[in-house]
Amino acid sequence: NAGVTQTPKFQVLKTGQSMTLQCAQDMNHNSMYWYRQDPGMGLRLIYYSASEGTTDKGEVPNGYNVSRLNKREFSLRLESAAPSQTSVYFCASIWGTGGSDTQYFGPGTRLTVL
Amino acid sequence: AQKITQTQPGMFVQEKEAVTLDCTYDTSDQSYGLFWYKQPSSGEMIFLIYQGSYDEQNATEGRYSLNFQKARKSANLVISASQLGDSAMYFCAMREGRRGFKTIFGAGTRLFVKA
Repeated sequence: NAGVTQTPKFQVLKTGQSMTLQCAQDMNHNSMYWYRQDPGMGLRLIYYSASEGTTDKGEVPNGYNVSRLNKREFSLRLESAAPSQTSVYFCASIWGTGGSDTQYFGPGTRLTVL
Repeated sequence: AQKITQTQPGMFVQEKEAVTLDCTYDTSDQSYGLFWYKQPSSGEMIFLIYQGSYDEQNATEGRYSLNFQKARKSANLVISASQLGDSAMYFCAMREGRRGFKTIFGAGTRLFVKA
């Protein structure tokens, strides 16, 4: 099993450009998440998908859109990138909704917006 | 409101000694889960240990133990016999039972293990 995979690993954008970050999991997990981590800080939730076909906003959704393409894949789109979106983006997944379910993380995408 | 606080931006510990990383949380839910993650310099997030709000025993996983004090709303991570490889960022996180999908994270503590 590959676990949670993310592409690309690194990306540099110019202000105003758009891009989509891809995430896939092969663990048959129901819930998927997108976080951002700014330098020296913890993770902040951008969007999550509790199950296929549903998405909800997290703490910092502005400037982002998501798509839960199927059970395996959850993408994050930046329509018009801004320097404030320079960050490391992590995708994560959980099998269920129980409090004890472990969250598995992808390796992260390091995004720089110039 | 759901909140996680880690008050120690950085900690130093001598190799082979024990260290405690602090975490306090705030929630109005009775059912919740508390997690600790390790993030080494390579950047990946590694799950360490979990404690449920209804668990009566403190969680342990090898050299990691969680000192859970429910009344004080604290969930401190204890690392025994520190190793150089323990040098990393450590994040405390909480997931509430009623809003089980959301997990929030603290700002983290950077641990430095000295030889």
